[in-house]
Amino acid sequence: GAGVSQSPSNKVTEKGKDVELRCDPISGHTALYWYRQRLGQGLEFLIYFQGNSAPDKSGLPSDRFSAERTGESVSTLTIQRTQQEDSAVYLCASSAQGAGYGYTFGSGTRLTVV
Amino acid sequence: SQQGEEDPQALSIQEGENATMNCSYKTSINNLQWYRQNSGRGLVHLILIRSNEREKHSGRLRVTLDTSKKSSSLLITASRAADTASYFCALLLDAGNNRKLIWGLGTSLAVNP
Repeated sequence: GAGVSQSPSNKVTEKGKDVELRCDPISGHTALYWYRQRLGQGLEFLIYFQGNSAPDKSGLPSDRFSAERTGESVSTLTIQRTQQEDSAVYLCASSAQGAGYGYTFGSGTRLTVV
Repeated sequence: SQQGEEDPQALSIQEGENATMNCSYKTSINNLQWYRQNSGRGLVHLILIRSNEREKHSGRLRVTLDTSKKSSSLLITASRAADTASYFCALLLDAGNNRKLIWGLGTSLAVNP
């Protein structure tokens, strides 16, 4: 596609439920990143995929968070047993050549846990 | 902390005025990037400046980099209401670690008509 696509754009879920967020990167972009942004805050790195290399999971805040990516295409971020502190905007970005050349971001998924 | 630190945290100006935002950091970088975020959603890449560059221009944007002072500034000239957004600097620390950017907390810019 022409840009990075994220779905859903908004998600309201009950505490304790699992949610799955989807990211479609730009075709051909080998690098894919997930970030979390709480209201009025900066970006918090979650996970990074680069081609067939092992993902960098160093930013995942707990074992309730996991992410997968199929080849160089779609990625899903799963949050199990959601908590209210998980409420945030989850942003996905992709890059053709890695962070050194800039990211293209999706519009994000706004997650609200009630 | 390795993250970029923007200042001011918030800036309010009148349309037509220039806006200057600064980003300081503490370690050596490969490049520094500026991004804009509207309405708390997706970020847009504005400009990238490499460590061996001192100034870059893109339209009404001018970015400077002073590696001796470990600081960068973003100047928006002749601001418009549509420039109202949060502006973030992001650092690439090492070309060999071409993995992820380190982000600042942003400057919130309000341009009043």
